[in-house]
Amino acid sequence: EAGVVQSPRYKIIEKKQPVAFWCNPISGHNTLYWYRQNLGQGPELLIRYENEEAVDDSQLPKDRFSAERLKGVDSTLKIQPAELGDSAVYLCASTMTSGQETQYFGPGTRLLVL
Amino acid sequence: GDSVTQMEGPVTLSEEAFLTINCTYTATGYPSLFWYVQYPGEGLQLLLKATKADDKGSNKGFEATYRKETTSFHLEKGSVQVSDSAVYFCALSVRAAGNKLTFGGGTRVLVKP
Repeated sequence: EAGVVQSPRYKIIEKKQPVAFWCNPISGHNTLYWYRQNLGQGPELLIRYENEEAVDDSQLPKDRFSAERLKGVDSTLKIQPAELGDSAVYLCASTMTSGQETQYFGPGTRLLVL
Repeated sequence: GDSVTQMEGPVTLSEEAFLTINCTYTATGYPSLFWYVQYPGEGLQLLLKATKADDKGSNKGFEATYRKETTSFHLEKGSVQVSDSAVYFCALSVRAAGNKLTFGGGTRVLVKP
């Protein structure tokens, strides 16, 4: 069974540029999470999807961040415009339902904003 | 809000030494507790978990016991190997919050031969 797939693995951009990250969860997993992991810290939740609905986006900085999960499968997280402080690893995780406790993580996208 | 506190690293050990990483938590509900591991260049992997008080999670020689009375979930391994060098994260989730994970800051462990 394939795991959670994320792309790109690395991205370097200049500040004020847009950037997008893509996630393909494990097949059949209805719940999808995006986390941000700053250097030397634990991941923090940005947004949680149940199928195509964003049910918890309270931690998403909505002035510059947006996310979508069309058709309830793949998801895209976008930053526009990027700031220096957005440099971090962006992690995607999935579970079959939010009632399941074990989340399966992708390898992450490491973003560097110059 | 929910939070997890774990000992800061790095922790440097010799091979076959005993490892303990302390983790304490605060939660508004009844949490499930986890240890995740991140090996160099890899993603987060679940190491072990416990879902109720006094449960012991175990995997790959690692153990942790859910202690409700002390709100702790300390990770232990009796004899570490070089391959255990990684960053370890303690985390909790609460079902009422959609099982989002709240992580500690991570503890880097370096095992020397």
